[in-house]
Amino acid sequence: AQSVTQLGSHVSVSEGALVLLRCNYSSSVPPYLFWYVQYPNQGLQLLLKYTTGATLVKGINGFEAEFKKSETSFHLTKPSAHMSDAAEYFCAVSPGNTGGFKTIFGAGTRLFVKA
Amino acid sequence: DTAVSQTPKYLVTQMGNDKSIKCEQNLGHDTMYWYKQDSKKFLKIMFSYNNKELIINETVPNRFSPKSPDKAHLNLHINSLELGDSAVYFCASSPTGGAWGETQYFGPGTRLLVL
Repeated sequence: AQSVTQLGSHVSVSEGALVLLRCNYSSSVPPYLFWYVQYPNQGLQLLLKYTTGATLVKGINGFEAEFKKSETSFHLTKPSAHMSDAAEYFCAVSPGNTGGFKTIFGAGTRLFVKA
Repeated sequence: DTAVSQTPKYLVTQMGNDKSIKCEQNLGHDTMYWYKQDSKKFLKIMFSYNNKELIINETVPNRFSPKSPDKAHLNLHINSLELGDSAVYFCASSPTGGAWGETQYFGPGTRLLVL
């Protein structure tokens, strides 16, 4: 069965500092991995995803994530935080070749950005 | 044009009442979902429909009954509302069904408060 663990329910950084949000997954088949962002009082929107190919994935708003199979990780980074990055971030895994319809979401990490 | 829309945006009601939430997507997608997000932001899938056919029913109480009149609409009816039903309910859609790492597109959410 697939599962996702996000380390840290809250992360606080200063504006301009590096953002690192951690995600580890468990999957018995090659996974498809996602990061979604949820701004206050809004629905989730896709930041980036890994399906196949290059393990370093670039997304919107300067975010990127690297798929590391040996570490079963898919951490999200951004070199320089902006106030507008303050939001809830969700890592998610999709079963891949066992068929779709079910994506498992992590518990979320709330990112705070200090001025 | 809103891709995935939900009505109402807010819903405040008394315990024991019956209520419905409507969802529509204009993306031409085949699959639609209902998620429940609790007060701790944990996001859990409730139902998934593919071309009007129920695919996933995640041990949701029988008081919750989804209905898909066509593949662009997925409504959620809740009977005999309980305090624990208070949450944000998100509708989402994806092109075919989550296979091969599909992105899901989320609506803005319906905030349900049961008093």
